[in-house]
Amino acid sequence: GAVVSQHPSRVICKSGTSVKIECRSLDFQATTMFWYRQFPKKSLMLMATSNEGSKATYEQGVEKDKFLINHASLTLSTLTVTSAHPEDSSFYICSASGAYRASNQPQHFGDGTRLSIL
Amino acid sequence: GDSVTQMEGPVTLSEEAFLTINCTYTATGYPSLFWYVQYPGEGLQLLLKATKADDKGSNKGFEATYRKETTSFHLEKGSVQVSDSAVYFCALHFGNEKLTFGTGTRLTIIP
Repeated sequence: GAVVSQHPSRVICKSGTSVKIECRSLDFQATTMFWYRQFPKKSLMLMATSNEGSKATYEQGVEKDKFLINHASLTLSTLTVTSAHPEDSSFYICSASGAYRASNQPQHFGDGTRLSIL
Repeated sequence: GDSVTQMEGPVTLSEEAFLTINCTYTATGYPSLFWYVQYPGEGLQLLLKATKADDKGSNKGFEATYRKETTSFHLEKGSVQVSDSAVYFCALHFGNEKLTFGTGTRLTIIP
């Protein structure tokens, strides 16, 4: 089936640093990618939707200057958490949709990235 | 707007018990309906889906039937196992629009 690879799976860094998370579609072209944030024991919160080659559309309340999203190719989107602080610690999940033969769902999900800011 | 309401958790059951996790939706029109499962520390995996009224989705012993008259898509399993412990999300989807998720239900199965 359609595979979405998310990297890294876990990152721990100091407050003030910037962290980049990659999301790749391995066997299909992802025209649209989605970034979600999940707080402990909470549901998924959609942060933004990105279409290849255009600016991401952010959900209300999400700081676009804090969470930079780039979708420069049909197989790669990146989320950069700039000047990360402890309150940015969370589980981030990406998903991708596109033309995939025999796809059985609207979005294919990565395995998530656990971000911990000290 | 569209929304999904699912049973609040957490739900704790003994092994081999019967499971029901309720899910109802509000939408204009007839969306496709999904159940996703999230195991600890992982992303979401599609568990089952139904695309039209009266369709039954099934997978790994889980079932859910798309009920248009009650706008529901309840998840059931006749005999749960410890390995079913996870968070379960109900979701709806129209065409090229975003997935709309419920709040998730954490299920813990005790041996």
